[in-house]
Amino acid sequence: SYELTQPLSVSVALGQTARITCGGNNIGSKNVHWYQQKPGQAPVLVIYRDSNRPSGIPERFSGSNSGNTATLTISRAQAGDEADYYCQVWDSSPLIFGTGTKVTVL
Amino acid sequence: EVQLVQSGAEVKKPGESLKISCKGSGYSFTSYWIGWVRQMPGKGLEWMGIIYPGDSDTRYSPSFQGQVTISADKSISTAYLQWSSLKASDTAMYYCARLDGPGGPPFDYWGQGTLVTVSS
Repeated sequence: SYELTQPLSVSVALGQTARITCGGNNIGSKNVHWYQQKPGQAPVLVIYRDSNRPSGIPERFSGSNSGNTATLTISRAQAGDEADYYCQVWDSSPLIFGTGTKVTVL
Repeated sequence: EVQLVQSGAEVKKPGESLKISCKGSGYSFTSYWIGWVRQMPGKGLEWMGIIYPGDSDTRYSPSFQGQVTISADKSISTAYLQWSSLKASDTAMYYCARLDGPGGPPFDYWGQGTLVTVSS
């Protein structure tokens, strides 16, 4: 079965850039979506179809996808960006979530 | 405004049955799929299945096939997730979420979650 691998944690200094990877076999051929989940809250879609931002999501959030790795980039990180982040793809009907990455802003 | 409002927290005993709900508003309920996602304590997101309320077409994750039943009542814009016999391992937060269709789109709106606790 298809698997998506994310780093367990990523730390970023306030105002710097965080990059969260999502690894999967030939993931570049799939549409990747990213969700942010803050403690005690439901997930929120922050990037869809690799690099598109829903209405209301800051331009600081961007995405890319190529080869075997998709990446969510958070520029000018803020304290409010501390959260868990999950990538997601569809693989022949089963929907797959990544393992999740905890982002800490120092 | 699109909203998905889920039923309240539940505390059940092993072996009991349960049905939780997710009511959609602010959009055409029969034109979008509703999915269910499990999050066990301290763990990640797991997709359980999706339903198209327009015709009740339902797809299950292989991991949850036969373990739960997903249904919908389009007359009241509500989707359901039910168990016939709960286990302690069903203790989790359950989210419903909307998506445009199977095979590609993201979950664009989420419910607030329903916490299910199964304990003797």
